[in-house]
Amino acid sequence: AQRVTQPEKLLSVFKGAPVELKCNYSYSGSPELFWYVQYSRQRLQLLLRHISRESIKGFTADLNKGETSFHLKKPFAQEEDSAMYYCALSGYRGANNLFFGTGTRLTVIP
Amino acid sequence: SQTIHQWPATLVQPVGSPLSLECTVEGTSNPNLYWYRQAAGRGLQLLFYSVGIGQISSEVPQNLSASRPQDRQFILSSKKLLLSDSGFYLCAWRETSLEQFFGPGTRLTVL
Repeated sequence: AQRVTQPEKLLSVFKGAPVELKCNYSYSGSPELFWYVQYSRQRLQLLLRHISRESIKGFTADLNKGETSFHLKKPFAQEEDSAMYYCALSGYRGANNLFFGTGTRLTVIP
Repeated sequence: SQTIHQWPATLVQPVGSPLSLECTVEGTSNPNLYWYRQAAGRGLQLLFYSVGIGQISSEVPQNLSASRPQDRQFILSSKKLLLSDSGFYLCAWRETSLEQFFGPGTRLTVL
């Protein structure tokens, strides 16, 4: 069965400090991994997906199949990064549904 | 461009009353549609998904039901609300890509 684990419910960092939001997954196949973000009073939206291999708003995430991880990183946190972050997984089976982790609330302290 | 609407934005209902939340999508055809519940500390829980008109799959046993009477309309219902049904309900859609697009959500409070 598929599972997404985000071990930190809350994470606080100072502005300018590096930030890493952890995500581990369990899936017996080749999954596609996503990071979604929800800023205050805004809709849940896609931040990035691993197949794109791109940096969005300074964030990157590398899929590590050996460690089954997809941690989200940014070298220098900004106040506007404060939000709720969800890691999600989809497999190429059935209805290709997304399975979400429980989320991490990031607070960047000015 | 595609857009997704949900209403109402907020709803306060007494225990035992019925529920109907509506979601509509514009600018796309035959999307997959989803209902999620977002609860603090529990993340996003998939409640229902639909791959076509009249086709509903339930992910968890619950007090709720879903229907898809039209291609771009997805409705979440209950005959009798429970206190535990309180939460933030999100509708989402996707086409061929695995990326899902979310609506603004409905905050439901059951008293």
